[in-house]
Amino acid sequence: DAKTTQPNSMESNEEEPVHLPCNHSTISGTDYIHWYRQLPSQGPEYVIHGLTSNVNNRMASLAIAEDRKSSTLILHRATLRDAAVYYCILRDPGTASKLTFGTGTRLQVTL
Amino acid sequence: DAMVIQNPRYQVTQFGKPVTLSCSQTLNHNVMYWYQQKSSQAPKLLFHYYDKDFNNEADTPDNFQSRRPNTSFCFLDIRSPGLGDAAMYLCATSSETSVPTNEQFFGPGTRLTVL
Repeated sequence: DAKTTQPNSMESNEEEPVHLPCNHSTISGTDYIHWYRQLPSQGPEYVIHGLTSNVNNRMASLAIAEDRKSSTLILHRATLRDAAVYYCILRDPGTASKLTFGTGTRLQVTL
Repeated sequence: DAMVIQNPRYQVTQFGKPVTLSCSQTLNHNVMYWYQQKSSQAPKLLFHYYDKDFNNEADTPDNFQSRRPNTSFCFLDIRSPGLGDAAMYLCATSSETSVPTNEQFFGPGTRLTVL
């Protein structure tokens, strides 16, 4: 499976935008980029996914580099409830059943 | 609300004593997964069911088994728990395995302690 690299941790102030980067230089042409997050003491939850184009939903935006070797999850206004571990995951259609979690980025949000 | 339910949330067992963890879902999804998450680590897939078809990950120890008696329920059996099996066990569901865009829905997890 293609690997992702994320910073171990990031900090943000409440109400500020947060940009969470992910590098995936070995991504294949058919890999989808997924983001999940795991709030404290909870199971992971889906955030967003994309293939080539930038994507927006009610939770976040996903910006994908033109060469697809990196992507950025954007939380437009961080709140305390966004404090979580954010996982960037590549999903290969051939093994689409699997979510192979990397180490993720632990986001701290402060007042 | 449609959801994934795991019982119990906390389970304590003794070294070597078999234990069963339960998962149920009201989403009517045909795929159910079990993940293991050790402290400060990322979740790791153990196996999944596509309907009644069982799919084991190559590195899942034989000590871990699973049963899916119907669409709604799935069980994780640990035949002889060791201290290294202490972890959070996460159940998840999705509507298809073959679609790389489908999201997985996770339950809150069962934290297993082995004494």
